[in-house]
Amino acid sequence: QSVLTQPPSLSGAPGQRVTISCTGSSSNIGAGYDVHWYQHIPGTAPKLLIYGNNNRPSGVPDRFSGSKSGASASLVITGLQAEDEAVYHCQSIDNNPTSWAFGGGTKLTVL
Amino acid sequence: EGQLVESGGGLLQAGGSVRLTCAASGFTFSNYPMSWLRQAPGKGLEWVGAIRGEGIDTFYSDSVRGRFTISRDNSRNTLFLQMNSLTADDAAVYYCAREVWLSDYSGRFDPWGQGTLVTVSS
Repeated sequence: QSVLTQPPSLSGAPGQRVTISCTGSSSNIGAGYDVHWYQHIPGTAPKLLIYGNNNRPSGVPDRFSGSKSGASASLVITGLQAEDEAVYHCQSIDNNPTSWAFGGGTKLTVL
Repeated sequence: EGQLVESGGGLLQAGGSVRLTCAASGFTFSNYPMSWLRQAPGKGLEWVGAIRGEGIDTFYSDSVRGRFTISRDNSRNTLFLQMNSLTADDAAVYYCAREVWLSDYSGRFDPWGQGTLVTVSS
């Protein structure tokens, strides 16, 4: 049982926009801890996609954006491409007790 | 930006031991705390444990405390995970990752290694 809740799977056609939600609580996201997003293609290293709720590391296309509101966060992918097919994980910190908090991961399929 | 490469996984017997290694390059290794994480089949990411940059303080999840030991050799830019008394629940892909902290409210992992698979047979 993951501390943060993500939908297990989502799908979209090329060119579409998809939103992946990450729901926490008052002891993690709602307590003001930042949310970070990782893109993981099985067999490769997970890659930092969004940090500090809404910041993209250099090299990440601006098709990817993040936001946070209250105890939830979202990752939005616009102009979906075949190469975006991956598992997306959200991550934060929990203070009850102090620990790392992960979502269960969302498998994104590009139709 | 940095690169991490894990090695040492394989097929192990329940009750057995293994040492995983993570070779770091491209950044000042000793300046950063490092973590081990894992992902079991069909499950989400789980933090296993961490070690501070100087290599003295270590931290572990409840599920591995007392069985796993994290260490590092800053002279060789290498991180280790000694895993003892393995059980079926320890079967997973194990990742090493650098911890990056902007503040007490913003800790993240970047970069990650590609992972090494640990399989436990009973």
